[in-house]
Amino acid sequence: NAGVTQTPKFQVLKTGQSMTLQCAQDMNHEYMSWYRQDPGMGLRLIHYSVGAGITDQGEVPNGYNVSRSTTEDFPLRLLSAAPSQTSVYFCASKHREVSGYTFGSGTRLTVV
Amino acid sequence: AQSVTQLDSQVPVFEEAPVELRCNYSSSVSVYLFWYVQYPNQGLQLLLKYLSGSTLVKGINGFEAEFNKSQTSFHLRKPSVHISDTAEYFCAVSPVISGGGADGLTFGKGTHLIIQP
Repeated sequence: NAGVTQTPKFQVLKTGQSMTLQCAQDMNHEYMSWYRQDPGMGLRLIHYSVGAGITDQGEVPNGYNVSRSTTEDFPLRLLSAAPSQTSVYFCASKHREVSGYTFGSGTRLTVV
Repeated sequence: AQSVTQLDSQVPVFEEAPVELRCNYSSSVSVYLFWYVQYPNQGLQLLLKYLSGSTLVKGINGFEAEFNKSQTSFHLRKPSVHISDTAEYFCAVSPVISGGGADGLTFGKGTHLIIQP
């Protein structure tokens, strides 16, 4: 049981490049979400999903796209990276009937 | 909408002393409350949560928290800290929605607990 797995752990991008941050969970959780963590800001919700085929925006969705084609996977796409997207990104998941998310170990992204 | 305020960005404490990390929240609806811990270069780990019932909640690693509805607070306490408790601590809320709820968590900005020998 791997829990929530995020790849890569580290990434450096040039401004304007695109990339996908991967998130997979093997706990059959219906709900998945993406957060970014910035110094002194805590964690802020980017996008979330309540099940396959259903996604919605969180507090800071601009510049990010998501899709949920399977229960297990919830990738986060940056179409044109900007320095303001330099951050640590966390994926989290939970069962529908349970409160409290399980977090992945994070992806540290630097945009230069 | 919800908001969470962690009143101290940094708390230095001597080893074996007690500690309290303060958290206040604001919400127009009922909420669930959580404390998460983040050790250096790691993800977030759930310490404890309040869903309903007894207002005193016990979590892992000897931590406990008390929900005070009138003061909209959920302060975290430990009677005797250890060097290994050095970490960032986050208070978070999510709205109570029937069926478990889909909304994400709203986090405070975190409190860095520094244990001094």
